[in-house]
Amino acid sequence: RKEVEQDPGPFNVPEGATVAFNCTYSNSASQSFFWYRQDCRKEPKLLMSVYSSGNEDGRFTAQLNRASQYISLLIRDSKLSDSATYLCVVGQLSGTYKYIFGTGTRLKVLA
Amino acid sequence: NAGVTQTPKFRVLKTGQSMTLLCAQDMNHEYMYWYRQDPGMGLRLIHYSVGEGTTAKGEVPDGYNVSRLKKQNFLLGLESAAPSQTSVYFCASSWTSGSSWTYEQYFGPGTRLTVT
Repeated sequence: RKEVEQDPGPFNVPEGATVAFNCTYSNSASQSFFWYRQDCRKEPKLLMSVYSSGNEDGRFTAQLNRASQYISLLIRDSKLSDSATYLCVVGQLSGTYKYIFGTGTRLKVLA
Repeated sequence: NAGVTQTPKFRVLKTGQSMTLLCAQDMNHEYMYWYRQDPGMGLRLIHYSVGEGTTAKGEVPDGYNVSRLKKQNFLLGLESAAPSQTSVYFCASSWTSGSSWTYEQYFGPGTRLTVT
C-alpha cells in the first residue's frame, strides 16, 4: 500500500462545477499536510496547507480528518485556469523528517 | 527574490557520462532537497540537507551524490549516468524552526535529464 494515495483521475468537469479530491495516508503519526498544484511540465507550487480545523482560501477549501487519515480539497466554481494536477503531500517525522508525495490527481476544466 | 533556481534546465547524456545539477536558493532556508519525478510516481526524495555541510540519503539515493558547501547551494551529481536516471529533477528548499516541520517546500523549475 502506498503511503499517500490519490485517485489519479482525470476529473473532467465543466466550468463552474464543484469538484472534490480526497487523499489518504497510512502513517497515523503524520504531522503536516499540504495540497500542491502542478501544471504540465512545471514545478509543484503550494496551493494550501491543511490544518486540523480546516481552512479556506477563496474558492478552495481543505479539510483534514485524522481519525480516518484523509485530507480533502474542494474547488468551487471551477475555472479553466484550475486545470492542473493536484498533489497531496504529507509530512512525517520517523527518525528523520520527510515529505511524502501522492502521485497527483489530474483536473481538466472544460469550457 | 529569485526563489529556487536550477541549472541546467535540460540535458542529454550518454550512458556513463557524469554531470552536476546546481540548485540555488536566496530565501536563507536551512533545508534543501533533491527529488526525481517519473510518470505515474510521486516525487521521490534522492538526498536532502538540513544545513550547510550536512547531507543525508533519501528514498532513492543510489547512483547520486550531493554536496552542500554553501547554505544557498545544493549540488546533485551523477557519476556514471544510466538510462534509468532519465527523469525530471526538482530541487526544493524549506524553512524550519527547531523540531517543527510544518513549513511548506519551495521548488525550483526542474531539470529534464535524458540518458541515452
